[in-house]
This record gives sequence, structure tokens and C-alpha cells, in this order.
Amino acid sequence: KNEVEQSPQNLTAQEGEFITINCSYSVGISALHWLQQHPGGGIVSLFMLSSGKKKHGRLIATINIQEKHSSLHITASHPRDSAVYICAPYGGSQGNLIFGKGTKLSVKP
Amino acid sequence: DSGVTQTPKHLITATGQRVTLRCSPRSGDLSVYWYQQSLDQGLQFLIQYYNGEERAKGNILERFSAQQFPDLHSELNLSSLELGDSALYFCASSEGLAGWAQYFGPGTRLLVL
Repeated sequence: KNEVEQSPQNLTAQEGEFITINCSYSVGISALHWLQQHPGGGIVSLFMLSSGKKKHGRLIATINIQEKHSSLHITASHPRDSAVYICAPYGGSQGNLIFGKGTKLSVKP
Repeated sequence: DSGVTQTPKHLITATGQRVTLRCSPRSGDLSVYWYQQSLDQGLQFLIQYYNGEERAKGNILERFSAQQFPDLHSELNLSSLELGDSALYFCASSEGLAGWAQYFGPGTRLLVL
């Protein structure tokens, strides 16, 4: 079983829709990243959180450490949000970042 | 711009060859991490260096090695390359030993033919 499970794997939305991507992990962690990877390949860390909720523009990330679950929400989605979103908890057996397989988001105009 | 630089951006080489990927961390960051992203395996942690010393090892093959120099830049050496080594290689850096706040470089895309 993977240590990090993301859902859905693929997501197609219409511009303006509210989007949720979920991440569950099975190991003890001290923090969690949400990463964004555009088709060009570069990775950007959108959020790093260890508790509660963070908001940046139209993006909101939440984490529940006890339930080992995190969500990334995008409000009023836009085609430029089209990317792969990767959940990356920090901790686990290697004491480093471990990665989900990513959610490929496509937002249609 | 994360402040982490990687060179080259793209690399095409043949099986059996050896290549070196270079990473310069953000100013002030002492830790450098190397990751491999392949189509079938996704992102995987390879190795971490902190202030010149190896601190953690992940799924790094014996054909691969890394080092961090006194100026804190790091190099990842890949030898006896195989087709399956084709991947995106990212480095990231963090200020301290604990890597929960990491900043990623733009990656090096390696194609082995």
C-alpha cells in the first residue's frame, strides 16, 4: 500500500468551478506540502502546513493531523490552474518528503 | 523563482554514458536534496546533503552518487546510464537539516537513448 494516496487521479472542471483534491497518508508526519507542477515540468510549493488551514488567493489547504488527511481547494477555477497537484508529507520512514502520485487537473474555459 | 538553480536544463545522452547534474541552493540554505521523477515511479527522494555531508539516503541506485562542495553547490553523478534512467531530476534546498520547508529547482530533463 502506498504511504500517500491522492484522489482523484484526474480531474476535469469547467472554469469557475470549485475543486477539491484529497490526500491521505499512513505515516507520522510533521508537515505537508502541496506542490504544483505545470506541463513545463517545474515544481512550485503552494503550501506547507502542519495544522489547520492556510489560504493564498483562490487556494485553500487544510490538514487534519489526527485523521492523516489533507485537502487542497481551488475556488473559482481558471484554465491557468491546469497542472498536476502533488501532496508531499514530510516524515515517514525516511524522514523526508514522500510523494503522492499527483492529481492532473484540467480546467476548461 | 525559488532561488534554486539547476544545470543543464536538458541532457540527451546514450546508454552506458556518465553525466553530471549540478544544483546551486538558495542563498543561506545548507541542505540539498535530489529527487527523481519518472513516468512510472513518480517523484522519489534520492539523497540529502547537509553542509557537505551526506545525511539521508532514499532510493538511490549504486550507479548514482552525489556530493556537496564547500560552496554548498551539489552535483549528482549518474553512470552506466540505462534507458530507465530517463527522468526529470530535481534538486531542492532547505535552510537547516530538517527538510520540511524545501524549495525546488526547475529540474534537469535527462533522456537516455
